[in-house]
Amino acid sequence: KAGVTQTPRYLIKTRGQQVTLSCSPISGHRSVSWYQQTPGQGLQFLFEYFSETQRNKGNFPGRFSGRQFSNSRSEMNVSTLELGDSALYLCASSAGGTSGSVFEQYFGPGTRLTVT
Amino acid sequence: KNQVEQSPQSLIILEGKNCTLQCNYTVSPFSNLRWYKQDTGRGPVSLTIMTFSENTKSNGRYTATLDADTKQSSLHITASQLSDSASYICVVSRGGATNKLIFGTGTLLAVQP
Repeated sequence: KAGVTQTPRYLIKTRGQQVTLSCSPISGHRSVSWYQQTPGQGLQFLFEYFSETQRNKGNFPGRFSGRQFSNSRSEMNVSTLELGDSALYLCASSAGGTSGSVFEQYFGPGTRLTVT
Repeated sequence: KNQVEQSPQSLIILEGKNCTLQCNYTVSPFSNLRWYKQDTGRGPVSLTIMTFSENTKSNGRYTATLDADTKQSSLHITASQLSDSASYICVVSRGGATNKLIFGTGTLLAVQP
């Protein structure tokens, strides 16, 4: 069974630009969650989608948005990039309904975003 | 405030030795607690998930304990190997209407030969 895939793996953007990251969950998984990981803050929850609906949202500004397609693939978009958006963006898929349930979460390798 | 604190922040041990990582949380209501291992440049991989009623759970050389009364968990690694060098992250799931995962900042473990 193929794991969670994320594209691209690395990305360099300049301030003010926007970026779209993609995540393909494990086949059959309907829940996709997105996280931002920085050295100082650790992993922080961005949002979670289940069956094309946003189920949970973290405390991030509206510049961060996401969506999920009917095949469960998900994208997240960051507009008007800031230097502080440089981070590893991870997505995780789960067969369960919410990110906090006892269903196992499987993480992808992440997309390393650098904003200059 | 819902928080997860881990200690120590970093740890260096010799190959073959045992070590214990700590996690204290103030998350309420509690749903479950997870330990993840994250190798450098890769996504976290789940080691254990424990619910309120579970005190101990093992996964090979990794043994996690949970004391829901004191809101403490530990991850014990026996006979460490070089491949155990990684960041270990404690994650607590807050129950209720909006299930959310609250992450600790991790313990960075380095196993030296």
